[in-house]
Amino acid sequence: AQRVTQPEKLLSVFKGAPVELKCNYSYSGSPELFWYVQYSRQRLQLLLRHISRESIKGFTADLNKGETSFHLKKPFAQEEDSAMYYCALNTGNQFYFGTGTSLTVIP
Amino acid sequence: DVKVTQSSRYLVKRTGEKVFLECVQDMDHENMFWYRQDPGLGLRLIYFSYDVKMKEKGDIPEGYSVSREKKERFSLILESASTNQTSMYLCASSLERVPYYEQYFGPGTRLTVT
Repeated sequence: AQRVTQPEKLLSVFKGAPVELKCNYSYSGSPELFWYVQYSRQRLQLLLRHISRESIKGFTADLNKGETSFHLKKPFAQEEDSAMYYCALNTGNQFYFGTGTSLTVIP
Repeated sequence: DVKVTQSSRYLVKRTGEKVFLECVQDMDHENMFWYRQDPGLGLRLIYFSYDVKMKEKGDIPEGYSVSREKKERFSLILESASTNQTSMYLCASSLERVPYYEQYFGPGTRLTVT
């Protein structure tokens, strides 16, 4: 069963526009959620985790347990944000990754 | 700074060959993971290990095996490579079996099986 769903495979926004990458999860326990990012020709790396409640590179993500969502948001997209983004759920035993969203920021 | 290294960035093998992918981490992490990354499918867990000589199957273990003889090294083995195993393989490690610890990834090995 798919535990992490990212409904958008591709997302294009113009520079300066707001961006939201959607992530929904399925887990009955207390979720630990992450966003990972992979820039072109670089390794996959952590962007942010929900437990930290921090903003990284202008991105934020709020855990909504009622909607079982962990959407990634940025108010003003930059060209350097173009990358592949993965939402991930850690259940304590295993990590589950979504299928990823490829974000393109158009100059 | 955690470093996860993989033995090859690119590998081309023939169908039926035995293939070894090596991963080494230098931060004394207990947990190590092997994923394959395919467009539209995201990352899928093949095997993981929480300790030396321990291994657990992930979501797609068929056609693969693993070996962890030392804490820092986790090997993925394709006993008889097939074309449907052409993929990007990512190794990762994390500190402990604790939910909020992140995974650190290697640069990946792009394997092509012809």
